[in-house]
Amino acid sequence: GENVEQHPSTLSVQEGDSAVIKCTYSDSASNYFPWYKQELGKGPQLIIDIRSNVGEKKDQRIAVTLNKTAKHFSLHITETQPEDSAVYFCAATSGNMLTFGGGTRLMVKP
Amino acid sequence: ETGVTQTPRHLVMGMTNKKSLKCEQHLGHNAMYWYKQSAKKPLELMFVYSLEERVENNSVPSRFSPECPNSSHLFLHLHTLQPEDSALYLCASSQGGVGGNEKLFFGSGTQLSVL
Repeated sequence: GENVEQHPSTLSVQEGDSAVIKCTYSDSASNYFPWYKQELGKGPQLIIDIRSNVGEKKDQRIAVTLNKTAKHFSLHITETQPEDSAVYFCAATSGNMLTFGGGTRLMVKP
Repeated sequence: ETGVTQTPRHLVMGMTNKKSLKCEQHLGHNAMYWYKQSAKKPLELMFVYSLEERVENNSVPSRFSPECPNSSHLFLHLHTLQPEDSALYLCASSQGGVGGNEKLFFGSGTQLSVL
């Protein structure tokens, strides 16, 4: 089955700096890669996703890149703000199964 | 609000108790899911229902029993749990059928503590 590794497990940045979270996956047939943000006391919420026929996707301060050859994808957050502090999960789909990474706790210091 | 409501938000139970977790989605979605979120472990899929029919059961112990009476409601019945079952239990729904490409809408979860 699919295996998704996520790094780092914790990330602390200064407000205004950029943050990058990286994930690798094992199944070359994976074709869908969503990112979820989980704030304290809430369930995960989809913030951006990318499909295997696209190399990069942007939505305001958030971008995701995908390297199918190397089987890794990354989340980039620019101009970080305190409200970006949360746990971020990557995931990869193989067939009908969505496999999540272990999560990254992002802390943005004002 | 995500349109997925879970009750209760917190639950403390003894190992011999029987309790149920409830999930309701107000989005008109066709699929509903139970996930387990433990500290330091990835989100684990437990059960999936599509149009009220169970389509996935990821080798979950029988002390967890799901029920999906209609496409808007999902229950997780708990009995004789173990302390290692303490976790955040998340319900989710998706618009289409079951598929890894579906956007998941999560509830806020039930934080379960088994004493």
